[in-house]
Amino acid sequence: SAVISQKPSRDICQRGTSLTIQCQVDSQVTMMFWYRQQPGQSLTLIATANQGSEATYESGFVIDKFPISRPNLTFSTLTVSNMSPEDSSIYLCSVADRDKNTGELFFGEGSRLTVL
Amino acid sequence: RKEVEQDPGPFNVPEGATVAFNCTYSNSASQSFFWYRQDCRKEPKLLMSVYSSGNEDGRFTAQLNRASQYISLLIRDSKLSDSATYLCVVDSGRGFKTIFGAGTRLFVKA
Repeated sequence: SAVISQKPSRDICQRGTSLTIQCQVDSQVTMMFWYRQQPGQSLTLIATANQGSEATYESGFVIDKFPISRPNLTFSTLTVSNMSPEDSSIYLCSVADRDKNTGELFFGEGSRLTVL
Repeated sequence: RKEVEQDPGPFNVPEGATVAFNCTYSNSASQSFFWYRQDCRKEPKLLMSVYSSGNEDGRFTAQLNRASQYISLLIRDSKLSDSATYLCVVDSGRGFKTIFGAGTRLFVKA
């Protein structure tokens, strides 16, 4: 298993500002994933963060809006840029249990963002 | 059509009841299937993987029908602590991307 720490756990932000969410894993992992879970909805993959290369974004998500850093195998950040109320959501960091190749995903506790 | 579709719920059942959740997926190339549980204001956690032969873990039984592209989860002898949202999760058939269903909420009442 993996232990994932995210911060901040929650924040309230003003429209037009940006927020960076940090994700720390207790072991080295090849891929880290960033998900969004809007109120009452399921999880949507934003992007896959690979160490040493640019993140791979899913349809509907762009680097200018959600820049991602992956400086090493245990850490990643997601920035939500130029926020609007529509960005209010829970943002979750995730890693895959690739060592065991089970396909299981482990999640951080999430960062609950409210944009006013 | 959504890639992963689940019963809309919510399911309200008394303690001790048996409840079944259904899920269908659209991509025949999918190879891995899971049920996750998400408690209110918590992150999702793996409940069980779903294998072609079906698998059981205590009160929980998961079934997979590849021909119909259908997955099910059966909970027997429901407990109050089973109250949660149950997410059907399927791999996309492309690398490590996984697709989450919208989830089915279960409320078990005394």
